[in-house]
Amino acid sequence: EAGVTQSPTHLIKTRGQQVTLRCSPISGHTSVYWYQQALGLGLQFLLWYDEGEERNRGNFPPRFSGRQFPNYSSELNVNALELEDSALYLCASSLPPESGGYTFGSGTRLTVV
Amino acid sequence: DQQVKQNSPSLSVQEGRISILNCDYTNSMFDYFLWYKKYPAEGPTFLISISSIKDKNEDGRFTVFLNKSAKHLSLHIVPSQPGDSAVYFCAASAEYGNKLVFGAGTILRVKS
Repeated sequence: EAGVTQSPTHLIKTRGQQVTLRCSPISGHTSVYWYQQALGLGLQFLLWYDEGEERNRGNFPPRFSGRQFPNYSSELNVNALELEDSALYLCASSLPPESGGYTFGSGTRLTVV
Repeated sequence: DQQVKQNSPSLSVQEGRISILNCDYTNSMFDYFLWYKKYPAEGPTFLISISSIKDKNEDGRFTVFLNKSAKHLSLHIVPSQPGDSAVYFCAASAEYGNKLVFGAGTILRVKS
């Protein structure tokens, strides 16, 4: 069974630019979660999508947005990039409700210069 | 606000001994707790979980203890192995299937 896949694995962008990160959940999983792990910090919840709808949103500015497609894959968009957006962006999927935890992808390392 | 706290940034343990990783939470609505392990350049992987109706859950070398009155949980790894060296994240959820709130993580180093 293929796991959660994220692309790209690494990305370098300039301040002010826009970026799109992609995530494909495990087949059959309808929920996708996005987390940000900045250097030295824990995983900060960004967004939760389920069945194509945004279910919950973390404490991030509106320039962080996303969507979920009918095949349950998801995109995370970040506009007007700032230096502090440099982080590892992790996507996870689950089939709600689930007795175990999420399955995470390997993440996208975003560097903003 | 940090609803889930892991106050020890790092822990060093000798191979074969017990590793104890601690986690405190502030939100009394949390009813589901999980531990994740993360190696560099990889996503976190699920280790073990516990619901608020239990106070202990075991899976092989890993045991999670939950003290609801103290809002505290711990992960015990016995015996510790060098391959256990990783970052361990504690996470909690207030609603089944809802978002997980993560702690900042504890770096565990198991010395051989």
